Amino acid sequence: DVKVTQSSRYLVKRTGEKVFLECVQDMDHENMFWYRQDPGLGLRLIYFSYDVKMKEKGDIPEGYSVSREKKERFSLILESASTNQTSMYLCASRGRVRNEKLFFGSGTQLSVL
Amino acid sequence: AQSVTQPDIHITVSEGASLELRCNYSYGATPYLFWYVQSPGQGLQLLLKYFSGDTLVQGIKGFEAEFKRSQSSFNLRKPSVHWSDAAEYFCAVGATGFQKLVFGTGTRLLVSP
Repeated sequence: DVKVTQSSRYLVKRTGEKVFLECVQDMDHENMFWYRQDPGLGLRLIYFSYDVKMKEKGDIPEGYSVSREKKERFSLILESASTNQTSMYLCASRGRVRNEKLFFGSGTQLSVL
Repeated sequence: AQSVTQPDIHITVSEGASLELRCNYSYGATPYLFWYVQSPGQGLQLLLKYFSGDTLVQGIKGFEAEFKRSQSSFNLRKPSVHWSDAAEYFCAVGATGFQKLVFGTGTRLLVSP
């Protein structure tokens, strides 16, 4: 069964910490995405990557960076976590064809105290 | 730029009753349209998608959606709701040649006995 795995289901960090959220997919997908989900705001795209070492900003990239050193792994980095980054983070992947569906991970609920 | 509006934040439906969830999109050309469902504690799962052709699209779990260009709508329907359908539903739109999807804010479905 195809799978997108996010390393942590729940994460609690302190303000100012550097935070890494990891996502791994086993489908050999070219495209990977990081979304943030907040009540009443739906899903908002933070960053996406269409190939190894390639990345593009989404709609809300401020305060975040990403890394894609290997095809199967896409990391989201919060350089200095802030309380307004408390949220559910969802990783997704998709193959080369642009009308294919997204496969989502189960999400990481991050709390920044 | 494309956008999606889901006007209903919450909807409560009795088990066995019919369901319609509304979705309106904004995009100049023919969009790619999707409905995803998120059960509690889970990632998003694709219900159905529309790219071209027949405007009535069948999906999984007995759901269907109809694309109406004149109304810029892609409403999701189900003739008889089951308690297991209680979840959050997201409509999403992608532009031709798109790399990313834009999601609506979601509609939470509650099913009463």
